[in-house]
Amino acid sequence: TQLLEQSPQFLSIQEGENLTVYCNSSSVFSSLQWYRQEPGEGPVLLVTVVTGGEVKKLKRLTFQFGDARKDSSLHITAAQPGDTGLYLCAGPDAGNNRKLIWGLGTSLAVNP
Amino acid sequence: DTGVSQDPRHKITKRGQNVTFRCDPISEHNRLYWYRQTLGQGPEFLTYFQNEAQLEKSRLLSDRFSAERPKGSFSTLEIQRTEQGDSAMYLCASSFDPRGGYTFGSGTRLTVV
Repeated sequence: TQLLEQSPQFLSIQEGENLTVYCNSSSVFSSLQWYRQEPGEGPVLLVTVVTGGEVKKLKRLTFQFGDARKDSSLHITAAQPGDTGLYLCAGPDAGNNRKLIWGLGTSLAVNP
Repeated sequence: DTGVSQDPRHKITKRGQNVTFRCDPISEHNRLYWYRQTLGQGPEFLTYFQNEAQLEKSRLLSDRFSAERPKGSFSTLEIQRTEQGDSAMYLCASSFDPRGGYTFGSGTRLTVV
């Protein structure tokens, strides 16, 4: 069974700090997706990484896919209160690519 | 197209009542998904449609849950004889190619009292 483990589970930082959150698995994923979810809303897709070793940047957010396609990280530079939310990673189920396997998420709070 | 729409946003119902939720996906997307999410958890898969065909239904779903997508456009999720354990956020998502990610609606928050 493929699992995605996200760490840390909770993170509370001050505005302006940098942070990294992780999404790890013992299984290979064909791709991984990162979503951000705000309270009371559905997840919003941030990025999809497909190639091992791939790095994608979205303003202050940098996403990396591990060379072996078993893990991914999200680095935020100079965090702002608007970055507050639940960050979820997800990847296609190898046995049924119609479904996504989801991590439990990292809940980030950026304090002004 | 303004994205995936879900209605209602919030629903409070008494235990034992039936509820129905609606999802309008992005029109170009032929795949539609229903998920359930409880506090502190990631989304939990419920069911999946490709066009009007329901191709998969989670084994976690009891017979009280049913979903339809009659014309391959909007979808409904009905819960019969609601129980307190059904209280959750019900999310709808659509996609053209799931490898490229899903577009989620804002969800329907169900509270069973």
